[in-house]
Amino acid sequence: DAGVIQSPRHEVTEMGQEVTLRCKPISGHDYLFWYRQTMMRGLELLIYFNNNVPIDDSGMPEDRFSAKMPNASFSTLKIQPSEPRDSAVYFCASSPSGQGNSPLHFGNGTRLTVT
Amino acid sequence: RKEVEQDPGPFNVPEGATVAFNCTYSNSASQSFFWYRQDCRKEPKLLMSVYSSGNEDGRFTAQLNRASQYISLLIRDSKLSDSATYLCVVNIGGTYKYIFGTGTRLKVLA
Repeated sequence: DAGVIQSPRHEVTEMGQEVTLRCKPISGHDYLFWYRQTMMRGLELLIYFNNNVPIDDSGMPEDRFSAKMPNASFSTLKIQPSEPRDSAVYFCASSPSGQGNSPLHFGNGTRLTVT
Repeated sequence: RKEVEQDPGPFNVPEGATVAFNCTYSNSASQSFFWYRQDCRKEPKLLMSVYSSGNEDGRFTAQLNRASQYISLLIRDSKLSDSATYLCVVNIGGTYKYIFGTGTRLKVLA
């Protein structure tokens, strides 16, 4: 079975540019999560979806960040305009339905560098 | 106080040694617990779930102590390939909020 698929693997962009990160969850998983990882703050939850509906976006840093899930097999995380402090590794993860006792399955991440 | 706390390490141990990590959590409503392993520049991967009665998977043993609000991971007969960062993950009951610790770095030395 294919795991969680993210693209691109690496993104280098200049400050002010729009960045779009993509994720395809594992088929049949109803929950999709976006995390950001930095050395200083570790893994932080940005937003998660259940059945394509955003449930909790309290971790989204500010209005420059937005996420969508137009269907069960695709999600995007967009940063517009990007800033150097957005540089991090962004992970997408998915999980089957349940009561939170199912582990998360991570994609291999997008390493974002904003110069 | 952080919701999930881990000793960042690094723990430097010789091959064949036994090493243990603890992780404390602050929310008593926490219901599900996991250990993940993360290699440098890679994604976190599930190592094992942690069950109330404790559980073992080969050289790895996980324990949960609800009264003291901590979980532990014991690695026996350490291998060079065990070198990684080990992340403690706690799920708040009734939600899909997974809280990650910042990880404990393990280096197994030849």
